[in-house]
Amino acid sequence: GAVVSQHPSRVICKSGTSVKIECRSLDFQATTMFWYRQFPKKSLMLMATSNEGSKATYEQGVEKDKFLINHASLTLSTLTVTSAHPEDSSFYICSATTSDTGELFFGEGSRLTVL
Amino acid sequence: QKEVEQDPGPLSVPEGAIVSLNCTYSNSAFQYFMWYRQYSRKGPELLMYTYSSGNKEDGRFTAQVDKSSKYISLFIRDSQPSDSATYLCAMSVGGGATNKLIFGTGTLLAVQP
Repeated sequence: GAVVSQHPSRVICKSGTSVKIECRSLDFQATTMFWYRQFPKKSLMLMATSNEGSKATYEQGVEKDKFLINHASLTLSTLTVTSAHPEDSSFYICSATTSDTGELFFGEGSRLTVL
Repeated sequence: QKEVEQDPGPLSVPEGAIVSLNCTYSNSAFQYFMWYRQYSRKGPELLMYTYSSGNKEDGRFTAQVDKSSKYISLFIRDSQPSDSATYLCAMSVGGGATNKLIFGTGTLLAVQP
């Protein structure tokens, strides 16, 4: 099946710093990518939907200035957590699809720990 | 009330047992129902995809949807230790992959050898 790669898989940072997480579709062109957040024993919560070349659409309650999403090419989307705080510590997962009828492929996730 | 409810478990069963995993939901507009498997520290992978009510079988896995009761199930026959993972139900109103998925919390399953 199609492969979606996330990097880094784990990151630890100090409070106040910014962290960038990359999501790449390795063998297909992803017209749409999604970013989720998952807390322990909680549901995956959709943060934003990202279409190549346009601004991301954020879910209600997600701060767009804190979670910057860029989808500059058909194979790459980035999530930047700006001025990270301990409450931002979570598992961030991206997914990608080729079209609105295609399957959704998930990345392996990136675990962020903010000290 | 959450849109999708799922018992987080953990659920521990002996190898070879039949496993039943369930979700209930409140939004009657959901038409597409999915089950994902997520191993520890990994992203989810799609197991089963069902439209509207009915059953779907794939190998040892059977998905059932009862829209009248707003209840979906995943059955695993002859469970194996390799089935040990978190199983997430997900559902959406529209069928395309760009439609917003609403996930359950996931049920942690442990199959004991």
